[in-house]
Amino acid sequence: DTEVTQTPKHLVMGMTNKKSLKCEQHMGHRAMYWYKQKAKKPPELMFVYSYEKLSINESVPSRFSPECPNSSLLNLHLHALQPEDSALYLCASSQGQPSYEQYFGPGTRLTVT
Amino acid sequence: DAKTTQPTSMDCAEGRAANLPCNHSTISGNEYVYWYRQIHSQGPQYIIHGLKNNETNEMASLIITEDRKSSTLILPHATLRDTAVYYCIVIRGDDKIIFGKGTRLHILP
Repeated sequence: DTEVTQTPKHLVMGMTNKKSLKCEQHMGHRAMYWYKQKAKKPPELMFVYSYEKLSINESVPSRFSPECPNSSLLNLHLHALQPEDSALYLCASSQGQPSYEQYFGPGTRLTVT
Repeated sequence: DAKTTQPTSMDCAEGRAANLPCNHSTISGNEYVYWYRQIHSQGPQYIIHGLKNNETNEMASLIITEDRKSSTLILPHATLRDTAVYYCIVIRGDDKIIFGKGTRLHILP
């Protein structure tokens, strides 16, 4: 199984809502990542978890809260988002960290209204 | 602070070899060259990486010049499914992946 799955595929939320994005992998990878990709722009790193511990936070606003409940799962909790946070949110995993051979999921397309 | 320069877009006829260039003139001795691609509406996909020697796998070949200041990704027999944005990335061992603007490759039928 070389797949990273992400749910939901699409999400529309209001600025006062709380929602969560989920990511799962069963490749035994010990590093997991969240990226944000705005339209027609390259992906930008948000967070890195290595062995279930947060190792990199790219100065992301606190309205984004990552969580790694176990080595296979990665969540991104969203609260009080702004319309400019609308983007494709990509999850990736790799065997270790740093590792640049990363496997990406298809992403969650988020729209904040 | 882009470490790489790539053409904005390229066309290639289906069945022909697609050669995607990348300039990385400031590359350091311990920095690797990685290639990813992103097909529309999908997440990025790792293709290949190299340090000094040329590399080949089932997807592509990577040719790195002797001075390491540039490289070329070769897709030997391009198909329509190879239409994507191709990212050339220079990475040191303790760095993060920083995606540049990439090359938008169009495979023409």
